[in-house]
Amino acid sequence: DAGVTQSPTHLIKTRGQQVTLRCSPKSGHDTVSWYQQALGQGPQFIFQYYEEEERQRGNFPDRFSGHQFPNYSSELNVNALLLGDSALYLCASSLETGAYEQYFGPGTRLTVT
Amino acid sequence: DQQVKQNSPSLSVQEGRISILNCDYTNSMFDYFLWYKKYPAEGPTFLISISSIKDKNEDGRFTVFLNKSAKHLSLHIVPSQPGDSAVYFCAASALHTGNQFYFGTGTSLTVIP
Repeated sequence: DAGVTQSPTHLIKTRGQQVTLRCSPKSGHDTVSWYQQALGQGPQFIFQYYEEEERQRGNFPDRFSGHQFPNYSSELNVNALLLGDSALYLCASSLETGAYEQYFGPGTRLTVT
Repeated sequence: DQQVKQNSPSLSVQEGRISILNCDYTNSMFDYFLWYKKYPAEGPTFLISISSIKDKNEDGRFTVFLNKSAKHLSLHIVPSQPGDSAVYFCAASALHTGNQFYFGTGTSLTVIP
């Protein structure tokens, strides 16, 4: 039973560039959430996708956007990168109904220089 | 505005003794709570959950207690083992408004052999 996978593992980008991160949910899960974890902090909710629609959004600017595909996998896009976007980006999958626990992938470490 | 707080950044416990990790929240609408464990370079791993209709949930060595009037929950680990050394996050959600989870800043547990 495959867990949540994310790619790439690490990424280095320059200010102003754009980045795309990818996530495949745990088998059987239909909902994907994205989180940003800065050093020494807990994960901060970016947004959640269900049925290919953004269902909820945290306090993040429009530079952060996403997509969910019919196979439930998801992408996180960040435009016009800032130094402050450097963080660990975590993807979590869950079921829309029933158990509400979110299962996390290993994350993508993004460094903006 | 930090809605979930873990006021102890670190905790050290002798192997075999009890570890107690605490978490406070401010939003009375939260009705579902999770605990996660995180090792370096890995994503958070789900440990145990509790719904607001309960005040205790147990799973092996892990027990979570919820005190709704105090807006406080705690995770008890008995007996503590060296492999339990990790960062522990609590998370809370108001499920009736969607399952966006708010995370605390984490407590680093060290179990001393």
